[in-house]
Amino acid sequence: AQRVTQPEKLLSVFKGAPVELKCNYSYSGSPELFWYVQYSRQRLQLLLRHISRESIKGFTADLNKGETSFHLKKPFAQEEDSAMYYCALRSGGYQKVTFGTGTKLQVIP
Amino acid sequence: EAGVTQFPSHSVIEKGQTVTLRCDPISGHDNLYWYRRVMGKEIKFLLHFVKESKQDESGMPNNRFLAERTGGTYSTLKVQPAELEDSGVYFCASSQELWGNTIYFGEGSWLTVV
Repeated sequence: AQRVTQPEKLLSVFKGAPVELKCNYSYSGSPELFWYVQYSRQRLQLLLRHISRESIKGFTADLNKGETSFHLKKPFAQEEDSAMYYCALRSGGYQKVTFGTGTKLQVIP
Repeated sequence: EAGVTQFPSHSVIEKGQTVTLRCDPISGHDNLYWYRRVMGKEIKFLLHFVKESKQDESGMPNNRFLAERTGGTYSTLKVQPAELEDSGVYFCASSQELWGNTIYFGEGSWLTVV
């Protein structure tokens, strides 16, 4: 069975500090990993996916198959980054997505 | 282009009552999904439609939940009778192709059962 674990429910950092949101997964095959973000009073939206290896809004995430991790990082947090972040896994391209419990990022001015 | 729309945005009902949630996917999207987030838990998959057919309903919690997508356009998710543990946010999402495509989410329907 596939599973996504986000150990932190809440992460508070000061503006300008580095951010790392942790995500670990368990899946026997080759998964596709995503980060979704939900800003206050907005819909859930895709932030980035590991296969595109791109940086969105300064965030990056590297898939580490050895550690089965897909941590989300940003070198300098901004106030507008405050939101709920969900790590997610999709198996084999099929659209069914498994989500983690989410981490609330709070950037303190 | 309009996004995925859900109605109602908020609903408060009493235990034992019936609630019907509606989702209008992005036009042209054959794939429609329902997800649910119960307080403090992860967002969980409920079911997946391809057009009007149920492709995967493995996440439906029990037979009090009924999802339909007549004509392959909008979908409804009915909870009857509602229980306290059904409270949460119900997300609808849609995508164009089955494999490898971006899924677009609606804003969610908040359901509170009292």
